[in-house]
Amino acid sequence: AQTVTQSQPEMSVQEAETVTLSCTYDTSESNYYLFWYKQPPSRQMILVIRQEAYKQQNATENRFSVNFQKAAKSFSLKISDSQLGDTAMYFCAFMRSPYGGATNKLIFGTGTLLAVQP
Amino acid sequence: DAGVIQSPRHEVTEMGQEVTLRCKPISGHDYLFWYRQTMMRGLELLIYFNNNVPIDDSGMPEDRFSAKMPNASFSTLKIQPSEPRDSAVYFCASSLAPSGLHTDTQYFGPGTRLTVL
Repeated sequence: AQTVTQSQPEMSVQEAETVTLSCTYDTSESNYYLFWYKQPPSRQMILVIRQEAYKQQNATENRFSVNFQKAAKSFSLKISDSQLGDTAMYFCAFMRSPYGGATNKLIFGTGTLLAVQP
Repeated sequence: DAGVIQSPRHEVTEMGQEVTLRCKPISGHDYLFWYRQTMMRGLELLIYFNNNVPIDDSGMPEDRFSAKMPNASFSTLKIQPSEPRDSAVYFCASSLAPSGLHTDTQYFGPGTRLTVL
């Protein structure tokens, strides 16, 4: 069974600084997808970034980038130039490739609560 | 597009009552998912549909829970009878169909916060 581990329950960063959130996962699959979702106090789950395991290049979305280390099964999220609006719970999630009829199930980590301080 | 729409946003009910949560997926999406979020168990998949057909309901906790998708634009999650331990945030999400080895992102609704007294 696949598992996702986020070892940092809470983190804090100063506005305009850079912060990295950690995520590790366990799987025997070779094709899969990894995601970071953000959940602000409004409770809405918002996609931040996604990574396909077959791609060696790390995904980037504006101030958000990932460090995907497939061999180490690590998928960290870097937030540059942190803004107050980045304050939220961040969830790392794993999905097997649906090829062969696998379930399109997202498996979530327990989340990291990020507080951006002014 | 308006995104995934869920109603109600908040529901407070008494133990033993029937609760119905509603979801309208993004137009054109083939997959619809129901997730539950609790402090104890985090986010977990309850059931998902492909083209209105339930594919995997292994996460449905017990027979008190049922889900339907009568058409491509509407789904319900029903709890009957409700119990205090059902208190949680229930999310609906939708996505396009996978294409070969690829899949698409799941987009979440705003959630329904259910409180069972």
